[in-house]
Amino acid sequence: QSALTQPRSVSGSPGQSVTISCTGSSSDVGAYKYVSWYQQHPGKAPKVMIHDVSERPSGVPDRFSGSKSGNTASLTISGLQAEDEADYYCCSYAGRYTVIFGGGTKLTVL
Amino acid sequence: QVQLVESGGGVVQPGTSLRLSCAASGFTFSTYNMHWVRQAPGKGLEWVAIIWFEGSNKYYADSVEGRFTISRDNSKSTLYLQMNSLRAEDTAVYYCARAPGNQYSSSWAVDSWGQGTLVTVSS
Repeated sequence: QSALTQPRSVSGSPGQSVTISCTGSSSDVGAYKYVSWYQQHPGKAPKVMIHDVSERPSGVPDRFSGSKSGNTASLTISGLQAEDEADYYCCSYAGRYTVIFGGGTKLTVL
Repeated sequence: QVQLVESGGGVVQPGTSLRLSCAASGFTFSTYNMHWVRQAPGKGLEWVAIIWFEGSNKYYADSVEGRFTISRDNSKSTLYLQMNSLRAEDTAVYYCARAPGNQYSSSWAVDSWGQGTLVTVSS
């Protein structure tokens, strides 16, 4: 199964908002509420930022929010900060007890 | 706090085998489903396998089905990944990762990650 489609890169200035899209199909993103997002800084393990489409784990700033429409999920980061610069990956349950990740998006804070 | 520590990585030749281990602490290991996720150098994340909390159910990505086996020893709070018939494309950092729970609805995300262990398959 092919990876979910994410833009290779996005950028924004401090204080601005950016949205990262994650496009799948009616067999994965569109079919289930099990979409999650992960932040990964260089050389570090990923960290969950959003699960179940829009649920934010404790400790994750409320500047991070998730949503889904049809086969596309989105991660929005408002009030961009320098420490938000990282790679972001979406992830979805894909049926048949399998999971699929997106190709990743590099966020640059200008 | 939750700690996941992987070990067993290294450099191996194509066609050989390797077993990874992940020692868990800071939580009741036997009550959580567990994943392996890998990341090739400079590439994105790729899900590898999941095992149910009691070890009864195991599921794999198509890319490793039939070659890799996920298992666990709840008495030792340890997760394993037996990798056979290794290929160059299996070269990656392998992460041990905890699902948020042990129900179907709480299995398809990761709430804690280890630091990873590097497996290099090269002749």
